[in-house]
Amino acid sequence: GENVEQHPSTLSVQEGDSAVIKCTYSDSASNYFPWYKQELGKRPQLIIDIRSNVGEKKDQRIAVTLNKTAKHFSLHITETQPEDSAVYFCAAYIFEEYSGAGSYQLTFGKGTKLSVIP
Amino acid sequence: ETGVTQSPTHLIKTRGQQVTLRCSSQSGHNTVSWYQQALGQGPQFIFQYYREEENGRGNFPPRFSGLQFPNYSSELNVNALELDDSALYLCASSLVGDDTQYFGPGTRLTVL
Repeated sequence: GENVEQHPSTLSVQEGDSAVIKCTYSDSASNYFPWYKQELGKRPQLIIDIRSNVGEKKDQRIAVTLNKTAKHFSLHITETQPEDSAVYFCAAYIFEEYSGAGSYQLTFGKGTKLSVIP
Repeated sequence: ETGVTQSPTHLIKTRGQQVTLRCSSQSGHNTVSWYQQALGQGPQFIFQYYREEENGRGNFPPRFSGLQFPNYSSELNVNALELDDSALYLCASSLVGDDTQYFGPGTRLTVL
């Protein structure tokens, strides 16, 4: 299976409703979990991150929760606005081996396209 | 504080050619990572540079190579371009010991 799985791939919500995006990861040693927002034709922008020593972090309308035992983390956006429409990526540091060596690599999910309908 | 910058913005090459992409890291950041983002996919890690040496590599062939300079800027070189190399190439800078990575705007490479 994939090292970082993200669901759903697309999500449509009415303006003002909440949106939840979920990710699971494979490496139990992972300890840093960022979320990026990427608008069409633009760079991924870090919107929030969480480390393994906390279970939840909030920044205004955005929150992230982490369950290390189950190896999953989620992004919650409340009171969604049209400008929240974008592709959201979760990521985690996963240990990968290549050519006999290994390193922790920031590994991304495949993304969730969020559409907020006015 | 200046952000991550990349050049060029767009590039068109033909199969078999070579390409060099450039990245200037955010002020004060000493680590640069490169990613390939195919259309509709998440960024895929190519490699990371710290102290002018490769500090980790993803599952990319040796024709993908890089450099980091004393001012922490970096280059990504791709030899013998293939059609599948068409993608957005992103660099991200960070401070060693800090997990947070900040992305540049990317270079859109098209291989014909």
